[in-house]
Amino acid sequence: DTEVTQTPKHLVMGMTNKKSLKCEQHMGHRAMYWYKQKAKKPPELMFVYSYEKLSINESVPSRFSPECPNSSLLNLHLHALQPEDSALYLCASSPVEGGPYEQYFGPGTRLTVT
Amino acid sequence: QQPVQSPQAVILREGEDAVINCSSSKALYSVHWYRQKHGEAPVFLMILLKGGEQKGHDKISASFNEKKQQSSLYLTASQLSYSGTYFCGTAREVQGAQKLVFGQGTRLTINP
Repeated sequence: DTEVTQTPKHLVMGMTNKKSLKCEQHMGHRAMYWYKQKAKKPPELMFVYSYEKLSINESVPSRFSPECPNSSLLNLHLHALQPEDSALYLCASSPVEGGPYEQYFGPGTRLTVT
Repeated sequence: QQPVQSPQAVILREGEDAVINCSSSKALYSVHWYRQKHGEAPVFLMILLKGGEQKGHDKISASFNEKKQQSSLYLTASQLSYSGTYFCGTAREVQGAQKLVFGQGTRLTINP
């Protein structure tokens, strides 16, 4: 199974709402990533978890809060977002040891903040 | 630092060839190539690990010139399915994880 799944596919939320994005993989990968992608732009790295610990935070605003409850799951908790946070949020996973290695991307969650 | 891709966009007829270039002002240790179709996730194409390496599958291949800090992706006898945006990426290890930085992308359109 080389699939990364993400839910929901689409999300519309107000600036005062709290919501969560979910990502799951069953490839045994111990690194998981969150990317943000705006239209016609490349994916931009937000967070990286390695062995369920946060390894990289690319100076992301605190209204985005990642969580890695176990080696298969990755969440992104959203609170008090701004309209400019509207984007496609991609999750990815990869092995950790012996890199570099390919990253497997999920289909993404298209987020609209109103 | 973000690698630079050229050209930004290419329009071809089916069966024509294309070359997409990726360069970096910093030393490259590996180059990653991905393709993303509209509304879909990026899909891995290949990684080149050292200077002079060339890889390919089907009619898509790539080369890596470590000295010139650049890589090129070659699409031969293009098919309609090759349409999409191609990203190169440079990677470095940070605390056991891989930080991948993508170029700005090259949009490839294949017309019948």
